[in-house]
Amino acid sequence: EVQLVESGGGLVQPGGSLRLSCAASGFIFSSNWMHWVRQGPEKGLVWVARISSEGTSTRYADSVKGRFTISRDNTRNTLYLQMNSLRAEDTAVYYCARVSDDSGSFFGDWGQGTLVTVSS
Amino acid sequence: DIVMTQSPDSLAVSLGERATITCKSSQSVLYSSNNKNYLAWYQQKPGQPPKLLISWASTRESGVPDRFSGSGSGTDFTLTISSLQAADVAIYYCQQYYDTPGVTFGQGTRVEIK
Repeated sequence: EVQLVESGGGLVQPGGSLRLSCAASGFIFSSNWMHWVRQGPEKGLVWVARISSEGTSTRYADSVKGRFTISRDNTRNTLYLQMNSLRAEDTAVYYCARVSDDSGSFFGDWGQGTLVTVSS
Repeated sequence: DIVMTQSPDSLAVSLGERATITCKSSQSVLYSSNNKNYLAWYQQKPGQPPKLLISWASTRESGVPDRFSGSGSGTDFTLTISSLQAADVAIYYCQQYYDTPGVTFGQGTRVEIK
């Protein structure tokens, strides 16, 4: 069974940093591209970042470019999101999501999410 | 970015009746080389992550009840629940994955029981 378990969320002041983790199991982690998607309070889904299966290619939404860094450790089956210079508008539940079909970036598996609250 | 617009924002349907949600993309998500529409549908219940229902506009995921169906091509798509059940109360999102990596989602449609 595929499992994605996020951690690392919490309350942080504006300008602060957090590192989110997503522990993966039940599939060959090193074979899958992975994404982060966030959902603000009572809001819709917004794509944040993605990383290739080997970790050599990354891309970001314009809203987080230069502040967030996606990475992965295939030896630990873990995905990361380093978030710096956090703003109030980054407040959201952050989900890691697995691309389960190499031919299309739709998400067959999601974690339960971790809540990030940016507030003074 | 491709903008995805769903309608309506919410709808209330009687148990056993049909629910229809539409999704319109600002540009075509039909890839001509393989004739596939790069469009997915998700269901999200309160406190849960989204669940993939349909990919490639009309391919139902394993385990998804056959009362859920997807149709459409190009820029106009529909998710139909043929006979609404209480378990279907949720928010439904469409997503385009034609324009990667920046996939985009519709704003969501809330489905309730009338």
